[in-house]
Amino acid sequence: DGGITQSPKYLFRKEGQNVTLSCEQNLNHDAMYWYRQDPGQGLRLIYYSQIVNDFQKGDIAEGYSVSREKKESFPLTVTSAQKNPTAFYLCASSMTGRTTRGEQFFGPGTRLTVL
Amino acid sequence: QKEVEQNSGPLSVPEGAIASLNCTYSDRGSQSFFWYRQYSGKSPELIMFIYSNGDKEDGRFTAQLNKASQYVSLLIRDSQPSDSATYLCAVAYDNYGQNFVFGPGTRLSVLP
Repeated sequence: DGGITQSPKYLFRKEGQNVTLSCEQNLNHDAMYWYRQDPGQGLRLIYYSQIVNDFQKGDIAEGYSVSREKKESFPLTVTSAQKNPTAFYLCASSMTGRTTRGEQFFGPGTRLTVL
Repeated sequence: QKEVEQNSGPLSVPEGAIASLNCTYSDRGSQSFFWYRQYSGKSPELIMFIYSNGDKEDGRFTAQLNKASQYVSLLIRDSQPSDSATYLCAVAYDNYGQNFVFGPGTRLSVLP
């Protein structure tokens, strides 16, 4: 089955801890994205990557870090510098280039709660 | 700054009626337009896309695009309670992923 997987589904963090959210895709997509969604709100872009070993900050990158060592994987670390990390985190991926329209497909999400 | 706007709702329609969801965008260079459905607690799911002016139909869903007015809409015919969700409009300004902007979403409630 082709798709995007995220783990864990639920994650609890104590204050001052760093936690890493996993995102893997087997769709052979070039680009991957991380979004944050707060209750009743829209999606806010944290980071995106269009190619291995390269990534760009989105609108709310402070307190987060990412890596893109493999095409299939784009983990997100929520650091202790992120003061209000409780949210629903969504990973997405897309093809890029002239033969596509760039539509993004989403994983099931990780719900992070700070205790 | 590229912006995508939607009425936040909630939009309430009776079962069997037509639900009309609207979206406006700021950049005339926009190329592709997408509608996602997001059930409560779940991730967004792509349900429609449209690239050219006019209508595109898929089952009970019709997407309408008017580039001159910078307006895209989604019509849901014969609305069902299972259509109750938040609908996100998204606009792509190129094919390379970095200019893909989501609207805030419209919450739709279909009343039995």
